[in-house]
Amino acid sequence: SQTIHQWPATLVQPVGSPLSLECTVEGTSNPNLYWYRQAAGRGLQLLFYSVGIGQISSEVPQNLSASRPQDRQFILSSKKLLLSDSGFYLCAWKSGISAIYEQYFGPGTRLTVT
Amino acid sequence: KNQVEQSPQSLIILEGKNCTLQCNYTVSPFSNLRWYKQDTGRGPVSLTIMTFSENTKSNGRYTATLDADTKQSSLHITASQLSDSASYICVVTPYGGSQGNLIFGKGTKLSVKP
Repeated sequence: SQTIHQWPATLVQPVGSPLSLECTVEGTSNPNLYWYRQAAGRGLQLLFYSVGIGQISSEVPQNLSASRPQDRQFILSSKKLLLSDSGFYLCAWKSGISAIYEQYFGPGTRLTVT
Repeated sequence: KNQVEQSPQSLIILEGKNCTLQCNYTVSPFSNLRWYKQDTGRGPVSLTIMTFSENTKSNGRYTATLDADTKQSSLHITASQLSDSASYICVVTPYGGSQGNLIFGKGTKLSVKP
């Protein structure tokens, strides 16, 4: 069966510090991968998605970046965090490009920027 | 503008009671509508998915309905349990949209009290 991992589970970082969140998927190959952010009182916001190694699409301009160095690894990064980057970050995967395919979410990372 | 509005924002019910959550959307045309359950501090988990041609879909004590003419969906929870306490998110996929173009509602926070 497929499993999606995210770490760390929680993170407290000062403003201006770098960020690296990691997501890995097991039990499937060539998944479509997604990074979302969920701010308090708001819906999920898509940040990046990837349909293959090295292929990243950005949905929202910001000081975050994403990379996919391996088929089942997706990394979210920032060189300098802002207070507004605080939130709950979710990684998700989907097995196909069709809209009917189910999207599975990871356990999330709670980021607090102080 | 594609939007998904959910009501109520929050709801408190007693264990064993039924409840109905609402979702109104302006996405058109759309491919499918999903309901997710998100426990506090966890990633969303899919409950139901309906295409534009389906009117109802059940998953245990959860029943989702869809009226594509009025662009409304509801999620009915029968005989609520304490474990139903969570946020319930309505998600609409536009037809022909880009890879990650899911439209998320802000969710309804349900609290089931003993």
